Amino acid sequence: EADIYQTPRYLVIGTGKKITLECSQTMGHDKMYWYQQDPGMELHLIHYSYGVNSTEKGDLSSESTVSRIRTEHFPLTLESARPSHTSQYLCASSTLAGGPLFFGEGSRLTVL
Amino acid sequence: QQQVKQSPQSLIVQKGGISIINCAYENTAFDYFPWYQQFPGKGPALLIAIRPDVSEKKEGRFTISFNKSAKQFSLHIMDSQPGDSATYFCAAKSRGAQKLVFGQGTRLTINP
Repeated sequence: EADIYQTPRYLVIGTGKKITLECSQTMGHDKMYWYQQDPGMELHLIHYSYGVNSTEKGDLSSESTVSRIRTEHFPLTLESARPSHTSQYLCASSTLAGGPLFFGEGSRLTVL
Repeated sequence: QQQVKQSPQSLIVQKGGISIINCAYENTAFDYFPWYQQFPGKGPALLIAIRPDVSEKKEGRFTISFNKSAKQFSLHIMDSQPGDSATYFCAAKSRGAQKLVFGQGTRLTINP
């Protein structure tokens, strides 16, 4: 069982609110990722990090931002949530050596 | 540009049958081909992976078949069980690359 945790698991908020999705891993992995998953299943990479103070935008443009101040922590923030941000957000991590991705259970966000 | 094309989008198989999911790729630099399994409400988890130096890899009821010349690989699930009902993603990565490229996903249902 992978040790990567996401909170909250479910969040329903109103438009314009600021939200932060938390992701923590206890495996000491350097690489961390955020994916957005459509109801239609596809996984879209929106942010990734190779280590502390390293963040990059992914393949899908996103209005969210991320930070990597500690190796184990990779939070995602939306400054002003909109209904178009309604989705499932999955956090993942892996070693620098290119091992398998370990995913968290996801945060399902609904913006009303 | 979809670098890994997965089919079918959905698949229904009777219990005890063989489930087959196919993926095709264009980038000949890919050298790592994993399959991920995702149950509802969970994040994807690595199921089985193959490198192009072998044409087949088997783990229990799960087999990856790899055809380098055709640039295709497939997942076979023998003696499919209702517990195998999940969404399956193929993926690919080239040596030195930091990111996996995922297929679009296949929703598999095994009828009892």
